[in-house]
Amino acid sequence: KQEVTQIPAALSVPEGENLVLNCSFTDSAIYNLQWFRQDPGKGLTSLLLIQSSQREQTSGRLNASLDKSSGRSTLYIAASQPGDSATYLCAVIKNTLGNEKLTFGTGTRLTIIP
Amino acid sequence: DAGITQSPRHKVTETGTPVTLRCHQTENHRYMYWYRQDPGHGLRLIHYSYGVKDTDKGEVSDGYSVSRSKTEDFLLTLESATSSQTSVYFCATGSGTYGYTFGSGTRLTVV
Repeated sequence: KQEVTQIPAALSVPEGENLVLNCSFTDSAIYNLQWFRQDPGKGLTSLLLIQSSQREQTSGRLNASLDKSSGRSTLYIAASQPGDSATYLCAVIKNTLGNEKLTFGTGTRLTIIP
Repeated sequence: DAGITQSPRHKVTETGTPVTLRCHQTENHRYMYWYRQDPGHGLRLIHYSYGVKDTDKGEVSDGYSVSRSKTEDFLLTLESATSSQTSVYFCATGSGTYGYTFGSGTRLTVV
């Protein structure tokens, strides 16, 4: 059974700092990995999708890396802003005999202090 | 996201009553999922579908059933609602190749 862990569970940093969120998974035979953010009381918003053949994916101030062999992904946020405050979730996508399933970590709650 | 909608957005129901939640997508995706989100448990898969009339159980499927008679619609039914089913329910669709999109959620309260 795939297990996904996100550390830390919560993080507070001053505005302007760079930060790294971590995601680890137990089964390295994944298809792809997707990062989401969730604002309080809202749905999930996709941030980045990393194909299993890629090592990095970038979107603006966000950079996600993937190391399948070690079962790890990181989300790097540069020059953090108060609007980045949210819960960040990683989802591991596994394809088994043509059927796909997503397994989520429990998230990292990020607070950016103005 | 305009490609996926959930209804209703909020619902309060009494213990023992049946409840149906609807997920509608306009992108013709093969895969659709129902998750529930609870504090301390994160997102847990209830049921999923990989095509019309093709569904399977997730990790917390007891007390829930699903149906998918059309590509665009995936229904989640609580046959007899219990207080433990008070939760926020999310539907998702997409593909591993291009990524997944989530609906805005349904907040269900069972009293």
